[in-house]
Amino acid sequence: GAGVSQSPSNKVTEKGKDVELRCDPISGHTALYWYRQSLGQGLEFLIYFQGNSAPDKSGLPSDRFSAERTGGSVSTLTIQRTQQEDSAVYLCASSPGTGRHEQYFGPGTRLTVT
Amino acid sequence: KNQVEQSPQSLIILEGKNCTLQCNYTVSPFSNLRWYKQDTGRGPVSLTIMTFSENTKSNGRYTATLDADTKQSSLHITASQLSDSASYICVVSARNNAGKSTFGDGTTLTVKP
Repeated sequence: GAGVSQSPSNKVTEKGKDVELRCDPISGHTALYWYRQSLGQGLEFLIYFQGNSAPDKSGLPSDRFSAERTGGSVSTLTIQRTQQEDSAVYLCASSPGTGRHEQYFGPGTRLTVT
Repeated sequence: KNQVEQSPQSLIILEGKNCTLQCNYTVSPFSNLRWYKQDTGRGPVSLTIMTFSENTKSNGRYTATLDADTKQSSLHITASQLSDSASYICVVSARNNAGKSTFGDGTTLTVKP
């Protein structure tokens, strides 16, 4: 069956531009997560959505970052006025719920800000 | 503050040998601990997940242990293969915030022929 997909796989943008990263979770999964992984570093939590509840945005590093999840399915992570320090791999994951449920990760979007 | 510490940071072993990776955590109240394998350029893939009452869990050549009293976990890899070369990440979730797990920085394992 289809796993979590992300697009684009690679994105190069100029400093100051806005970018949108897309995540298509596994069908039926109610929880969706965004993480950031800088080169050689561990995963950094950004935001997660669970059903119709208000998202936990506590990991977003600044107000330039925002995310939405439409219809409980596809999610878009938007970074406004990108900075070089935003360069990283952005990973999306989904799970049937939170708690003990396994998270299934997508392949990530590699963002490079020049 | 919830933290997950992994050791060693990196490890090189010969094909066919065994190895053990360590994970210490301070996450509380504990819900579950997961080990993930992340190949270069790919997203992490779950190997095992353990709750408070589980001491050991196996997945093929991978065996994870959990000591909830000392807040330690290990991942043992038996008869390593070249394809085991990857980063292994320990992830711990708290009962009061199950959607926001704490990730370790990972152990980078290189298996050489």
